[in-house]
Amino acid sequence: DAGVTQSPTHLIKTRGQQVTLRCSPISGHKSVSWYQQVLGQGPQFIFQYYEKEERGRGNFPDRFSARQFPNYSSELNVNALLLGDSALYLCASSLRFFSSYEQYFGPGTRLTVT
Amino acid sequence: DAKTTQPTSMDCAEGRAANLPCNHSTISGNEYVYWYRQIHSQGPQYIIHGLKNNETNEMASLIITEDRKSSTLILPHATLRDTAVYYCIVRVETGGFKTIFGAGTRLFVKA
Repeated sequence: DAGVTQSPTHLIKTRGQQVTLRCSPISGHKSVSWYQQVLGQGPQFIFQYYEKEERGRGNFPDRFSARQFPNYSSELNVNALLLGDSALYLCASSLRFFSSYEQYFGPGTRLTVT
Repeated sequence: DAKTTQPTSMDCAEGRAANLPCNHSTISGNEYVYWYRQIHSQGPQYIIHGLKNNETNEMASLIITEDRKSSTLILPHATLRDTAVYYCIVRVETGGFKTIFGAGTRLFVKA
């Protein structure tokens, strides 16, 4: 079975631009979460979606937004990019919303803002 | 939000058991303890999780103290491929769902 997939693998953008990152969860998984990992730090929680509804949000500015589609795939959008947005963006999926269900992570999208 | 505290780094000899401690003294009754590991800049890999009881799977064992304020991840026979950053996290489920990662423990397995 395919794991969590993310696209693109790498991305280079300029300050002020907008970016969209994509995630396909494991088949049958209905919950998707997004994380930002800056070099040398642990992943920081951005959003969780379940059944197309936002179920959790981390401490990120409104420039960050996300959505989940009927097929449970998800997009993360970041507007007005800053140099500090350069990071590895990780997507994780789980079968259900509840914390008793483990999350499985994708390989991530490496975003570089110049 | 519950948070975790882990040692910054640890060493372990190949073939020996690696015991990675984690403190989560503010954990609530309905919050699970999860362990993940991350090799280089790959996505974190799920290892194991538990609520109250000790757990074991093909990768590791998780020992949770009776008061649930700390736990230990045990890799029974560490190999060089187990060298990674190990994260102990608590899944918070209050007013929304947040998963909070700390800085993790960098485990070095040496031949």
